[in-house]
Amino acid sequence: GAVVSQHPSWVICKSGTSVKIECRSLDFQATTMFWYRQFPKQSLMLMATSNEGSKATYEQGVEKDKFLINHASLTLSTLTVTSAHPEDSSFYICSARDRRDHEQFFGPGTRLTVL
Amino acid sequence: GQNIDQPTEMTATEGAIVQINCTYQTSGFNGLFWYQQHAGEAPTFLSYNVLDGLEEKGRFSSFLSRSKGYSYLLLKELQMKDSASYLCAVLDSNYQLIWGAGTKLIIKP
Repeated sequence: GAVVSQHPSWVICKSGTSVKIECRSLDFQATTMFWYRQFPKQSLMLMATSNEGSKATYEQGVEKDKFLINHASLTLSTLTVTSAHPEDSSFYICSARDRRDHEQFFGPGTRLTVL
Repeated sequence: GQNIDQPTEMTATEGAIVQINCTYQTSGFNGLFWYQQHAGEAPTFLSYNVLDGLEEKGRFSSFLSRSKGYSYLLLKELQMKDSASYLCAVLDSNYQLIWGAGTKLIIKP
């Protein structure tokens, strides 16, 4: 099956710093990538939908200036958590949709801990 | 509004069979997915149904009735490693995935 990678797998940072998470589709082209956040024992929460070459669409309640998304190519999207705070500590998961069909493939996730 | 309902938690015994139900109300329908998610990991794809009926894949089967807005995931010969959350998701008319909250399945020896 299709492979989606995320980097880093986990990151610990100080409050106030910015963290960039990369999401890559390794063997297919993804016109659309999705960013999710999941707090412990809770369901996936869609943060934003990222389309290659255009601005991301953010879900209600997600601050676009805090969670910067860039989808510069058909295989790469990045999420930057700016001025991170402890409440941003979460499991961030990206998924990519193959342009040929509509199945979503998930990355392994990035665990962010903000001290 | 759009809504996906599935039970919060289920418990079953190793070696038994369990059925996880999912009902949905969405704006349009372009298929229903089931994903498995172990704690601390990303979801992994289990099945995709777009036509009515039963799709069997090894120990796992998925059923869909579009007229009833209903699907179930059937797990046979349960193993301890099947303990996980099972997520139901519907692809709506805009090809966006609408997610259920997930069903936590606990397998007991």
